[in-house]
Amino acid sequence: AQRVTQPEKLLSVFKGAPVELKCNYSYSGSPELFWYVQYSRQRLQLLLRHISRESIKGFTADLNKGETSFHLKKPFAQEEDSAMYYCALSSGANSKLTFGKGITLSVRP
Amino acid sequence: KAGVTQTPRYLIKTRGQQVTLSCSPISGHRSVSWYQQTPGQGLQFLFEYFSETQRNKGNFPGRFSGRQFSNSRSEMNVSTLELGDSALYLCASRLAGVNEQFFGPGTRLTVL
Repeated sequence: AQRVTQPEKLLSVFKGAPVELKCNYSYSGSPELFWYVQYSRQRLQLLLRHISRESIKGFTADLNKGETSFHLKKPFAQEEDSAMYYCALSSGANSKLTFGKGITLSVRP
Repeated sequence: KAGVTQTPRYLIKTRGQQVTLSCSPISGHRSVSWYQQTPGQGLQFLFEYFSETQRNKGNFPGRFSGRQFSNSRSEMNVSTLELGDSALYLCASRLAGVNEQFFGPGTRLTVL
């Protein structure tokens, strides 16, 4: 069975502070990992995926297979980063997404 | 390109009733998935349809069902509604063989 764990429900930081949103997964095969974001009153949207290895809005995430983690990081948080963030796992191109419970990121001025 | 659309956006039903939700995917997307979002359980996968066939199914009771039409539009039906079915129901579409899902705005179902 596949499982995604986001251990924290809320992270509150000041503008300019570093951010790390934790995500751990459980899956025996080779998963594909994603971060989705939901801004206030907007729909859920893809932020980044591990196979792209790109930085989106200053966020990066590295898949660590040894620690089964896919933490989301940003060196300097902005107020517009305040949103709900979900880590998700897929076991293949035609498979479902398994989501973590999500974390609320609040960036204070 | 228009995004995923869902209708209706809000619904209020009473226990025991049934409800049908509709989802129109992005043009060209043949895969449609449904998710239930609640504060306690988060986002949970219901089922996925591709070319009118159910391809994957989550761990939900048989009261939850769906279908997909030849134009890729999808509907999900919940029969004998329970209070616990109150949730935001999200639909997502994607291109065949591509793992990026595009989500709709959701239908907020309230069961009284």
